[in-house]
Amino acid sequence: QKEVEQNSGPLSVPEGAIASLNCTYSDRGSQSFFWYRQYSGKSPELIMFIYSNGDKEDGRFTAQLNKASQYVSLLIRDSQPSDSATYLCAVNPSGTYKYIFGTGTRLKVLA
Amino acid sequence: DAGVIQSPRHEVTEMGQEVTLRCKPISGHDYLFWYRQTMMQGLELLVYFNNKAVMDDSGMPKDRFSAKMPNASFSTLKIQPSEPRDSAVYFCASRWANTEAFFGQGTRLTVV
Repeated sequence: QKEVEQNSGPLSVPEGAIASLNCTYSDRGSQSFFWYRQYSGKSPELIMFIYSNGDKEDGRFTAQLNKASQYVSLLIRDSQPSDSATYLCAVNPSGTYKYIFGTGTRLKVLA
Repeated sequence: DAGVIQSPRHEVTEMGQEVTLRCKPISGHDYLFWYRQTMMQGLELLVYFNNKAVMDDSGMPKDRFSAKMPNASFSTLKIQPSEPRDSAVYFCASRWANTEAFFGQGTRLTVV
């Protein structure tokens, strides 16, 4: 079992719809969770981080964390073609300061 | 701050040659990470430093890879000898404490 798992996609949604991206992790003691966006040929850039169970909203983005079920998700409301990218989930395993990344989910927003 | 700076941006080398990748972290950041990204494996952590000391290099092939951080503003990742399977994009990232990590632009390495 990989430490951080994501569906590779592609996930295709129409413009204006809600895109839902999911991530599961294996280390139950993980404390910090991050969502990065990576455009093709570019470096990852942070979208959001979440530490506590529940929802965290920032503009069109909402991160959701459920530590009991060991999953974290990212919702993108009113999806735009410019949101088309690969979304990487990163987890900070307990007792360490490293980030482990999932392989990413490719999102396509269709105009 | 100019962000995390990596050099070179592209490197093409022949199998068996030595390759050195360089990274300048953001000033004041105390953690530095080296990742390798391929289509098949995604972003793999090779090694990370805290205050110049290696914290975890379990992801790094020890027989051919070495990483150093001689001072707080410079790190190198060396591959010797290089092999075609080392072809990938290598990212350096830095952060302060347990905050977000900032990535450099990456070095695209091609070993032929």
